[in-house]
Amino acid sequence: QSVLTQPPSASGTPGQRVTISCSGSSSNIGSNTVYWYQHLPGTAPKLLIYSNNQRPSGVPDRFSGSKSGTSASLAISGLQSEDEADYYCAAWDDTLNDFRVVFGGGTKLTVL
Amino acid sequence: EVQLVESGGGLVQPGGSLRLSCAASGFTFGSYWMHWVRQAPGKGLVWVSRINSDGGTTYADSVKGRFTISRDNAKNSLYLQMNNLRVDDTAVYYCARGASIDFWGQGTLVTVSS
Repeated sequence: QSVLTQPPSASGTPGQRVTISCSGSSSNIGSNTVYWYQHLPGTAPKLLIYSNNQRPSGVPDRFSGSKSGTSASLAISGLQSEDEADYYCAAWDDTLNDFRVVFGGGTKLTVL
Repeated sequence: EVQLVESGGGLVQPGGSLRLSCAASGFTFGSYWMHWVRQAPGKGLVWVSRINSDGGTTYADSVKGRFTISRDNAKNSLYLQMNNLRVDDTAVYYCARGASIDFWGQGTLVTVSS
């Protein structure tokens, strides 16, 4: 069972906007920034969002992130077929001052 | 170009050992924290361990006491020594860069089975 909670699946049609939620606690999302990754099977995971809402160079502005309290969300607008992938949220967790990284269980996005 | 290339995976019996390596290039390796993250078949990403620039380490509870992360900055290399392997350690193991975990390798498959 993952420390961060994500819905196992999400779907949308081309052009739609979809959001993926990520719920944590005060020791992770509540006190540290959130990261989002896109993962296609057999490939290296790709960083989509860092520091809650920042996009690395090369990531389309169709991808956006937000955070409120102990929850975060990833929004994908103008959905495209190539967005079909697994999406993971992550955050540092400072329980007992022992900094570790925690991931969500992942959300499989299907483009219908 | 940033590159992380893992190696050392394979088939090992329960209770056995394996040492994974990650060769880094395209950035100042010694300046970055580094991580190992794994993905069991059909499951999600799970963080395994990290090592600071100065060698400080942290482990997930599931591997503490069995796995050891290390680095050789002169060789731009990251390592994961895995001892007393269990069937549930079967996974693709990725090395990844930085506090933001901003770049990942392609992974190496470790299969623990009798």
